[in-house]
Parts: sequence; structure tokens; C-alpha cells
Amino acid sequence: AQRVTQPEKLLSVFKGAPVELKCNYSYSGSPELFWYVQYSRQRLQLLLRHISRESIKGFTADLNKGETSFHLKKPFAQEEDSAMYYCALSGLSGSNYKLTFGKGTLLTVNP
Amino acid sequence: DSGVTQTPKHLITATGQRVTLRCSPRSGDLSVYWYQQSLDQGLQFLIQYYNGEERAKGNILERFSAQQFPDLHSELNLSSLELGDSALYFCASSVVPGVGNEQFFGPGTRLTVL
Repeated sequence: AQRVTQPEKLLSVFKGAPVELKCNYSYSGSPELFWYVQYSRQRLQLLLRHISRESIKGFTADLNKGETSFHLKKPFAQEEDSAMYYCALSGLSGSNYKLTFGKGTLLTVNP
Repeated sequence: DSGVTQTPKHLITATGQRVTLRCSPRSGDLSVYWYQQSLDQGLQFLIQYYNGEERAKGNILERFSAQQFPDLHSELNLSSLELGDSALYFCASSVVPGVGNEQFFGPGTRLTVL
């Protein structure tokens, strides 16, 4: 079974402060991990995926297989980063791939 | 708009009723996914179709069913509705199902069961 845990429902930081959104996963195979973001009144969209090893909008995420974590980080938060963030894992479920989401973390960046 | 579209945007109905939610995938995408988003359960995968055939099932109730038509649009049917079915229902699409393929989400249909 595959599971994604985002321990923080809510996270509030001030503009310019570092931010880290935590994500832990459980999966027996080799996972593909993603971060999706949902800005207010917008649809869910992909922010980044671990295989790309890229930085999007200043965000990075490193897959730590030892700790089974994929935390999302940004050194200096901006007000426009306020959104709902979902960590997701793509893994085999039977003979098909399934995307499993965490419950999400609502990030608020205060001025 | 060549992205994923969903209709209707909002739906208000009574317990015991049946509703149909519609999704049109992005142009060129063959795979469609349905998700239910509620405050307590988060985003839950319901079911996936690829080129008209069911590929994977998640936490979908027996009262719910879906299908994908030859033109690749999909419908999610919810019957014998209960108060707890009130949620945001998202449809997503991808080119093909696969481990690393990005899913593109629609704007969602907000269902309220009174």
C-alpha cells in the first residue's frame, strides 16, 4: 500500500522567512514523488517532481529515501506563495500506476 | 480553452438523488482520472480510465460509477446521494497512464447534498 503523510494542515510564515512543507511517504517500491499546488480559486497544478531535480518559483524538494521524505523548501517565502500544497506519490497499485495525495498543507505567507 | 473542462461548476441536490458530472480531457490526452476532495479526507482517487477502458479503481463507492466515451470525455455518476457525498469532485487527464506522467486537473465540480 502507498501512503503520503503531510503532518501540518496549516503553516503560517512571514514574508522573507524560510519555509519547509513536510511530506513523508510509505511505499515498498521506488516511488515517483510530486508536489502539486492549488492557488486560491485556481485549479490544482503540478509544481515540481523529484525526477526533474529542478527549482520552480524558488521551491526545491529533495527525495530522501532513507527518511522516506520529500520536503518542499523555499529560502525566502513570498506572499504569492500562499496556497494549498499537496505532496503526491505515483506508484504501482496492482498492475496500474496510482497517484496518491497527502491531505495537503495550507501555507499562508503574511506581509 | 484546451485544458481539462468540467461541468457543471456547482450542483446542489437532495439526499437520495442521482447526479452526473462531466469531464472533457485536454486535447490529445487519453487517460482520465476522477478525485473527490473533502475537508476531512483530502484528495482521494476514485477511478481511472484509459482510452475508454477502466484501468484502476480507488476508494470509489458502489453507488458511484463512471465511464469514458469514444470521444474521450468522461462522466461520473453519483446515485442515492448522502450528505457525506458533498465534496469537490475533480477530473484530471494525462497523455497516457504512467508513473511519471503529469496529470492536468480541471476546475472541479462542487457538489452540495442537502
